[in-house]
Amino acid sequence: NAGVTQTPKFQVLKTGQSMTLQCAQDMNHEYMSWYRQDPGMGLRLIHYSVGAGITDQGEVPNGYNVSRSTTEDFPLRLLSAAPSQTSVYFCASSLTGRYGNSPLHFGNGTRLTVT
Amino acid sequence: AQSVAQPEDQVNVAEGNPLTVKCTYSVSGNPYLFWYVQYPNRGLQFLLKYITGDNLVKGSYGFEAEFNKSQTSFHLKKPSALVSDSALYFCAVRGGLTTSGTYKYIFGTGTRLKVLA
Repeated sequence: NAGVTQTPKFQVLKTGQSMTLQCAQDMNHEYMSWYRQDPGMGLRLIHYSVGAGITDQGEVPNGYNVSRSTTEDFPLRLLSAAPSQTSVYFCASSLTGRYGNSPLHFGNGTRLTVT
Repeated sequence: AQSVAQPEDQVNVAEGNPLTVKCTYSVSGNPYLFWYVQYPNRGLQFLLKYITGDNLVKGSYGFEAEFNKSQTSFHLKKPSALVSDSALYFCAVRGGLTTSGTYKYIFGTGTRLKVLA
């Protein structure tokens, strides 16, 4: 099993550009989520999904969109990149989010720089 | 509101010595607690969790964690540290129930463990 796969690994954008960060999991997990990791701030939840066709906002959703058309894929779109979105982005999935007892499986991250 | 704190930004320990990485929490109700490890340029990996039961939880790579309800702590421990244990460690707690009927996870800010040869 590949687990959680994120692409690309690195990306440099200019302010105002848009892009999509890809995330795919092959574990048939119901729950998928996106986090950003910034120094001294831990991980902050951007968006999450409890199943195909269902998404919801996390702690820091502004400037990002998501969709979940299949169980496997959960892309994150940056609509108009800003320097404040420079960060490392992680996709994570778990079997279910219904009980809060399922460990998260993380991808290896996308390091994004916005200039 | 649920929260988790890791009071130390960095912990240094000599190889072969026991290590402790601290975590305290604040939740309403029974806590669901997790530890993750992050190696350089990698995602977080699950180490162990406490949901209920024994206060001493054993996990991957020889790590264990002690749940202490009276001190609201969930410290990560290992009897004998290895240089390869050097990494960033995150404590997490189950957050509140969302309108989607699911639970979020709240992460601490991380503690960098450095094991010195």
